[in-house]
Amino acid sequence: GNSVTQMEGPVTLSEEAFLTINCTYTATGYPSLFWYVQYPGEGLQLLLKATKADDKGSNKGFEATYRKETTSFHLEKGSVQVSDSAVYFCALATTGKLIFGQGTTLQVKP
Amino acid sequence: DTGVSQDPRHKITKRGQNVTFRCDPISEHNRLYWYRQTLGQGPEFLTYFQNEAQLEKSRLLSDRFSAERPKGSFSTLEIQRTEQGDSAMYLCASSFPRRLEDTQYFGPGTRLTVL
Repeated sequence: GNSVTQMEGPVTLSEEAFLTINCTYTATGYPSLFWYVQYPGEGLQLLLKATKADDKGSNKGFEATYRKETTSFHLEKGSVQVSDSAVYFCALATTGKLIFGQGTTLQVKP
Repeated sequence: DTGVSQDPRHKITKRGQNVTFRCDPISEHNRLYWYRQTLGQGPEFLTYFQNEAQLEKSRLLSDRFSAERPKGSFSTLEIQRTEQGDSAMYLCASSFPRRLEDTQYFGPGTRLTVL
Protein backbone atom coordinates (compact mmCIF):
# COMPACT_ATOMS: atom_id res chain seq x y z
CA GLY A 1 0.00 0.00 0.00
CA ASN A 2 0.90 3.67 -0.09
CA SER A 3 2.92 5.03 2.83
CA VAL A 4 5.30 7.77 3.91
CA THR A 5 8.21 7.39 6.30
CA GLN A 6 9.95 10.34 7.91
CA MET A 7 13.04 10.48 10.04
CA GLU A 8 12.24 10.45 13.70
CA GLY A 9 12.62 13.56 15.76
CA PRO A 10 12.99 15.69 17.57
CA VAL A 11 15.69 17.44 15.57
CA THR A 12 17.50 20.12 17.54
CA LEU A 13 19.71 22.61 15.72
CA SER A 14 21.42 25.87 16.43
CA GLU A 15 20.38 28.94 14.49
CA GLU A 16 21.98 29.16 11.02
CA ALA A 17 22.66 25.42 10.90
CA PHE A 18 21.86 23.31 7.82
CA LEU A 19 18.66 21.28 7.98
CA THR A 20 17.77 17.97 6.36
CA ILE A 21 14.61 16.04 7.19
CA ASN A 22 14.45 12.73 5.36
CA CYS A 23 11.26 11.48 3.75
CA THR A 24 10.77 8.33 1.70
CA TYR A 25 7.59 7.00 0.22
CA THR A 26 5.97 3.89 -1.19
CA ALA A 27 3.31 4.39 -3.81
CA THR A 28 1.78 2.94 -6.92
CA GLY A 29 1.69 5.26 -9.87
CA TYR A 30 3.04 8.80 -9.75
CA PRO A 31 1.87 10.65 -6.67
CA SER A 32 2.31 14.33 -5.95
CA LEU A 33 4.50 15.03 -2.92
CA PHE A 34 4.12 17.71 -0.29
CA TRP A 35 5.67 19.15 2.82
CA TYR A 36 3.29 20.70 5.33
CA VAL A 37 4.33 22.59 8.47
CA GLN A 38 2.47 22.97 11.75
CA TYR A 39 3.65 25.84 13.94
CA PRO A 40 2.82 25.67 17.67
CA GLY A 41 -0.88 26.31 18.22
CA GLU A 42 -1.63 26.67 14.51
CA GLY A 43 -3.10 24.57 11.72
CA LEU A 44 -1.34 22.73 8.91
CA GLN A 45 0.15 24.99 6.27
CA LEU A 46 1.43 23.95 2.88
CA LEU A 47 5.18 24.57 2.74
CA LEU A 48 6.06 23.25 -0.72
CA LYS A 49 5.08 20.65 -3.29
CA ALA A 50 6.25 18.75 -6.36
CA THR A 51 3.99 17.04 -8.86
CA LYS A 52 6.40 14.94 -10.95
CA ALA A 53 9.84 13.35 -10.88
CA ASP A 54 12.81 15.74 -10.72
CA ASP A 55 10.59 18.68 -9.81
CA LYS A 56 11.98 20.88 -7.06
CA GLY A 57 9.59 22.57 -4.69
CA SER A 58 10.78 25.63 -2.79
CA ASN A 59 9.40 28.19 -0.36
CA LYS A 60 10.77 30.39 2.46
CA GLY A 61 14.29 29.02 1.89
CA PHE A 62 13.17 25.40 2.12
CA GLU A 63 13.66 23.03 -0.82
CA ALA A 64 12.79 19.44 -1.68
CA THR A 65 13.38 17.47 -4.89
CA TYR A 66 11.10 14.66 -6.08
CA ARG A 67 13.49 11.71 -6.58
CA LYS A 68 11.66 8.82 -8.23
CA GLU A 69 14.74 6.58 -8.37
CA THR A 70 15.19 6.70 -4.60
CA THR A 71 11.48 7.32 -3.78
CA SER A 72 12.51 10.27 -1.63
CA PHE A 73 11.50 13.89 -1.02
CA HIS A 74 13.96 15.17 1.57
CA LEU A 75 13.43 18.65 3.00
CA GLU A 76 16.44 20.97 3.22
CA LYS A 77 17.21 24.50 4.33
CA GLY A 78 20.62 26.09 4.28
CA SER A 79 20.28 28.24 7.40
CA VAL A 80 17.50 27.69 9.92
CA GLN A 81 16.02 30.34 12.17
CA VAL A 82 14.36 30.10 15.57
CA SER A 83 11.07 30.89 13.83
CA ASP A 84 11.37 27.63 11.85
CA SER A 85 10.69 25.63 15.02
CA ALA A 86 7.63 23.54 14.17
CA VAL A 87 6.45 20.07 13.21
CA TYR A 88 7.08 19.14 9.57
CA PHE A 89 4.96 16.56 7.74
CA CYS A 90 5.80 14.85 4.48
CA ALA A 91 2.78 13.65 2.50
CA LEU A 92 1.82 12.06 -0.78
CA ALA A 93 -1.41 12.48 -2.69
CA THR A 94 -3.11 9.47 -4.21
CA THR A 95 -6.66 8.97 -5.46
CA GLY A 96 -7.72 12.24 -3.92
CA LYS A 97 -6.46 11.81 -0.37
CA LEU A 98 -3.24 12.72 1.41
CA ILE A 99 -1.17 10.13 3.23
CA PHE A 100 1.07 11.70 5.85
CA GLY A 101 4.23 10.67 7.61
CA GLN A 102 4.31 10.78 11.38
CA GLY A 103 5.87 14.23 11.50
CA THR A 104 9.30 15.49 12.56
CA THR A 105 9.63 18.09 15.29
CA LEU A 106 12.30 20.72 14.65
CA GLN A 107 13.59 22.86 17.49
CA VAL A 108 15.99 25.67 16.63
CA LYS A 109 17.94 27.22 19.48
CA PRO A 110 19.40 30.75 19.39
CA ASP B 1 -9.97 35.94 5.09
CA THR B 2 -11.26 33.33 2.65
CA GLY B 3 -9.47 30.25 3.98
CA VAL B 4 -11.02 27.05 5.31
CA SER B 5 -12.93 27.64 8.52
CA GLN B 6 -14.04 25.14 11.16
CA ASP B 7 -16.46 25.43 14.02
CA PRO B 8 -16.18 24.95 16.93
CA ARG B 9 -12.44 25.18 17.56
CA HIS B 10 -12.72 23.21 20.78
CA LYS B 11 -15.33 20.78 22.04
CA ILE B 12 -15.42 18.99 25.37
CA THR B 13 -18.08 16.34 25.78
CA LYS B 14 -18.93 13.42 27.96
CA ARG B 15 -18.67 9.86 26.78
CA GLY B 16 -21.85 8.73 25.07
CA GLN B 17 -22.87 12.18 23.83
CA ASN B 18 -23.23 13.12 20.17
CA VAL B 19 -21.15 15.92 18.66
CA THR B 20 -21.26 17.71 15.31
CA PHE B 21 -18.52 19.74 13.66
CA ARG B 22 -18.83 22.11 10.73
CA CYS B 23 -16.39 22.94 7.96
CA ASP B 24 -16.66 25.77 5.43
CA PRO B 25 -14.25 25.28 2.51
CA ILE B 26 -12.63 27.90 0.33
CA SER B 27 -15.53 29.13 -1.77
CA GLU B 28 -14.52 27.90 -5.23
CA HIS B 29 -13.24 24.52 -4.02
CA ASN B 30 -15.35 21.53 -5.03
CA ARG B 31 -13.50 18.91 -2.98
CA LEU B 32 -13.71 18.72 0.79
CA TYR B 33 -11.78 16.33 3.04
CA TRP B 34 -11.91 15.26 6.68
CA TYR B 35 -8.86 14.00 8.58
CA ARG B 36 -8.20 13.03 12.18
CA GLN B 37 -4.95 13.78 13.99
CA THR B 38 -3.97 12.32 17.34
CA LEU B 39 -1.14 13.61 19.48
CA GLY B 40 2.27 13.00 17.97
CA GLN B 41 0.91 11.53 14.74
CA GLY B 42 0.29 12.73 11.23
CA PRO B 43 -3.27 13.33 10.06
CA GLU B 44 -5.22 10.26 8.93
CA PHE B 45 -7.75 10.42 6.13
CA LEU B 46 -11.40 9.88 7.07
CA THR B 47 -13.52 10.79 4.04
CA TYR B 48 -13.88 13.19 1.15
CA PHE B 49 -16.54 14.78 -1.03
CA GLN B 50 -16.59 16.06 -4.55
CA ASN B 51 -19.41 18.55 -4.61
CA GLU B 52 -22.16 16.80 -2.61
CA ALA B 53 -21.06 13.23 -3.41
CA GLN B 54 -19.11 11.32 -0.77
CA LEU B 55 -16.52 9.50 -2.87
CA GLU B 56 -14.43 7.61 -0.35
CA LYS B 57 -14.58 6.61 3.31
CA SER B 58 -11.73 5.20 5.37
CA ARG B 59 -12.07 2.06 7.46
CA LEU B 60 -11.33 4.41 10.35
CA LEU B 61 -14.79 5.87 9.86
CA SER B 62 -16.90 3.55 11.99
CA ASP B 63 -20.69 3.51 11.80
CA ARG B 64 -20.77 6.03 14.65
CA PHE B 65 -19.30 8.62 12.28
CA SER B 66 -21.27 10.28 9.51
CA ALA B 67 -20.38 13.14 7.21
CA GLU B 68 -22.55 15.18 4.91
CA ARG B 69 -22.16 17.94 2.37
CA PRO B 70 -25.77 18.54 1.38
CA LYS B 71 -25.41 21.40 -1.08
CA GLY B 72 -21.82 20.93 -2.08
CA SER B 73 -20.67 23.82 0.09
CA PHE B 74 -20.16 23.38 3.84
CA SER B 75 -19.84 19.95 5.44
CA THR B 76 -20.69 18.46 8.82
CA LEU B 77 -19.06 15.57 10.63
CA GLU B 78 -21.15 13.92 13.34
CA ILE B 79 -19.90 11.46 15.92
CA GLN B 80 -22.58 9.53 17.78
CA ARG B 81 -22.09 7.92 21.20
CA THR B 82 -18.63 9.39 21.61
CA GLU B 83 -15.87 7.30 23.18
CA GLN B 84 -12.66 8.43 24.85
CA GLY B 85 -10.74 7.10 21.86
CA ASP B 86 -12.46 9.69 19.68
CA SER B 87 -10.46 12.45 21.41
CA ALA B 88 -8.38 14.02 18.64
CA MET B 89 -8.02 17.02 16.37
CA TYR B 90 -10.46 16.85 13.46
CA LEU B 91 -9.13 18.62 10.39
CA CYS B 92 -10.96 19.77 7.31
CA ALA B 93 -9.31 20.60 4.00
CA SER B 94 -10.51 21.70 0.58
CA SER B 95 -9.15 21.73 -2.94
CA PHE B 96 -9.99 22.46 -6.58
CA PRO B 97 -8.27 19.77 -8.68
CA ARG B 98 -6.66 20.78 -11.93
CA ARG B 99 -4.47 18.78 -14.30
CA LEU B 100 -1.41 17.66 -12.27
CA GLU B 101 -2.49 19.91 -9.41
CA ASP B 102 -4.64 19.09 -6.42
CA THR B 103 -3.35 20.97 -3.42
CA GLN B 104 -5.33 20.69 -0.21
CA TYR B 105 -5.64 23.67 2.13
CA PHE B 106 -6.39 22.98 5.75
CA GLY B 107 -8.55 24.68 8.32
CA PRO B 108 -7.48 25.27 11.93
CA GLY B 109 -9.14 22.09 13.17
CA THR B 110 -11.63 21.19 15.90
CA ARG B 111 -10.09 19.72 19.01
CA LEU B 112 -12.41 17.15 20.60
CA THR B 113 -11.96 15.99 24.18
CA VAL B 114 -14.17 13.15 25.38
CA LEU B 115 -14.29 12.82 29.16
